[in-house]
Amino acid sequence: GQSLEQPSEVTAVEGAIVQINCTYQTSGFYGLSWYQQHDGGAPTFLSYNALDGLEETGRFSSFLSRSDSYGYLLLQELQMKDSASYFCAVRPGSNYQLIWGAGTKLIIKP
Amino acid sequence: EPEVTQTPSHQVTQMGQEVILRCVPISNHLYFYWYRQILGQKVEFLVSFYNNEISEKSEIFDDQFSVERPDGSNFTLKIRSTKLEDSAMYFCASGNAFNSPLHFGNGTRLTVT
Repeated sequence: GQSLEQPSEVTAVEGAIVQINCTYQTSGFYGLSWYQQHDGGAPTFLSYNALDGLEETGRFSSFLSRSDSYGYLLLQELQMKDSASYFCAVRPGSNYQLIWGAGTKLIIKP
Repeated sequence: EPEVTQTPSHQVTQMGQEVILRCVPISNHLYFYWYRQILGQKVEFLVSFYNNEISEKSEIFDDQFSVERPDGSNFTLKIRSTKLEDSAMYFCASGNAFNSPLHFGNGTRLTVT
């Protein structure tokens, strides 16, 4: 089967840096995406990696290693508003289906 | 910024009834999707739609479900003979290319009693 693994919950302090890991086992790979979802809200696109390496977008960065089937989302200078669930998602092939991880709930303490 | 809109925001229905969830994707997008999320769980793919036809569907998307793009702007999900386990948040999403980021609507919370 196809699966993505990510921690269920991560706790960090305001102003700190946190890394949310994602490992995947899929039949193919067309890129790793990250989405943020606040409680009761819709998922919002954060970043996308198709090639190995680091992509930086402001306080958020995302990394991919295709040989390790692994990626992570790095959040810097954490703010209380970053408290949300973060989902990694992989498109495994030439269909249109994104396979989603179960989500990581990020708890930020003052 | 253009956005995906969904109506209604909350739908309550009795078991066995039919519901239609409505979505207006972003106007220049070509790829449309329905996802669902049971409270506190992960996002589950239901169906993708491109070029006026279903391009992919999951095991969840059985004969109880159907999608339609009736008029070039709306994208609907019909659930026939609803069951208690259909209670979930249903998200519509759209994208302008195959591998582009998905833009999600705010969802319709379906409660089946």
